[in-house]
Amino acid sequence: NAGVTQTPKFQVLKTGQSMTLQCAQDMNHEYMSWYRQDPGMGLRLIHYSVGAGITDQGEVPNGYNVSRSTTEDFPLRLLSAAPSQTSVYFCASRAAGGGRDTQYFGPGTRLTVL
Amino acid sequence: GESVGLHLPTLSVQEGDNSIINCAYSNSASDYFIWYKQESGKGPQFIIDIRSNMDKRQGQRVTVLLNKTVKHLSLQIAATQPGDSAVYFCAEIPNYGQNFVFGPGTRLSVLP
Repeated sequence: NAGVTQTPKFQVLKTGQSMTLQCAQDMNHEYMSWYRQDPGMGLRLIHYSVGAGITDQGEVPNGYNVSRSTTEDFPLRLLSAAPSQTSVYFCASRAAGGGRDTQYFGPGTRLTVL
Repeated sequence: GESVGLHLPTLSVQEGDNSIINCAYSNSASDYFIWYKQESGKGPQFIIDIRSNMDKRQGQRVTVLLNKTVKHLSLQIAATQPGDSAVYFCAEIPNYGQNFVFGPGTRLSVLP
């Protein structure tokens, strides 16, 4: 198993540009989520999905869209990048064992918005 | 490059000593807690978990203690090794939800 994979590893955008961060998992996990990590603030939940076709907002959803057309993939879209979105983004997945199972993280995408 | 840590509390310990990393959680309704380790440039990695009906759980070289009275969680690492150098996060899940809430993290630095 590859676990949770993310692409790209690094990305530089100009303000106003759009892009999609890719996330895929091969563990047949129902639950997937996106976090951003900023210095001194830990991980903050952006969006999450409890299964294909179902998404919901987390703590900091503004400026981001997600979709979940398959169990494996959970892309994160930035429609119009802003410098405040400079961060490291982590995708995670876990089995839907009543919310008590281990969450597996991808290696992260470091995004810089100029 | 560092993904976090410019403003993190730091714990420095000598190699071979025991480390204790503390975490104050926010929600008295949380009933599941996890400690994660994050090495530079990598995603968080599960270390150990504990449910609210327990006050102590041991793994290999690690022990998690839970004090629900004061909403405090600690991670003890025995015989700290250079490979333990990382940022450590605690996470909690309220019993009514599915989402993890992460603490800000503590950087552990192991001195030779």
